Amino acid sequence: NAGVTQTPKFQVLKTGQSMTLQCAQDMNHNSMYWYRQDPGMGLRLIYYSASEGTTDKGEVPNGYNVSRLNKREFSLRLESAAPSQTSVYFCASSSPGHLSGANVLTFGAGSRLTVL
Amino acid sequence: AQSVTQLDSQVPVFEEAPVELRCNYSSSVSVYLFWYVQYPNQGLQLLLKYLSGSTLVKGINGFEAEFNKSQTSFHLRKPSVHISDTAEYFCAVGTGTASKLTFGTGTRLQVTL
Repeated sequence: NAGVTQTPKFQVLKTGQSMTLQCAQDMNHNSMYWYRQDPGMGLRLIYYSASEGTTDKGEVPNGYNVSRLNKREFSLRLESAAPSQTSVYFCASSSPGHLSGANVLTFGAGSRLTVL
Repeated sequence: AQSVTQLDSQVPVFEEAPVELRCNYSSSVSVYLFWYVQYPNQGLQLLLKYLSGSTLVKGINGFEAEFNKSQTSFHLRKPSVHISDTAEYFCAVGTGTASKLTFGTGTRLQVTL
């Protein structure tokens, strides 16, 4: 089982460039998430998609856009990268039942992005 | 809105010693609590969770945590750590039907000989 697959694993960008981080899950999960991880800050939610066709802002959405392409795929786009977006990005998925706050997240291995 | 505080950013400990990683939360409603572990250069994986029932929860690799509602805490413990437990540990809280978790800032457990 692949679980949650993220690409690319590493990327270096120059300020102002754009790029898309791809995420796919093969567990038939309904919900998908994008987090960023920074030293001393833990994980902060950027955007999430509770179900196919819906997306919502998380804690730190500025400078990002997302697309829930289908049930399997959830991409994160940086339109004009800034050094402050240097981070490790994690995609996750879950299958919510009645009590969504009790769901267990399955994480991808992460994508390390450096913006110069 | 809920929040999570992990009081210790780093915890050094010798192999075979006991360890406690502290987690406190804040929420105006009932919560679900989680501990996730992140080994070097990997994604996070679930260690244990508290949803309801017994306040003492056992997880993988010999870890356990106790939910204390009066102290709004969910501390993680292991009676004897191993070198392979070296990792970063994250406490997280979820509530009701909110389909997202709030994570703490993490505690880096460093186990040495």
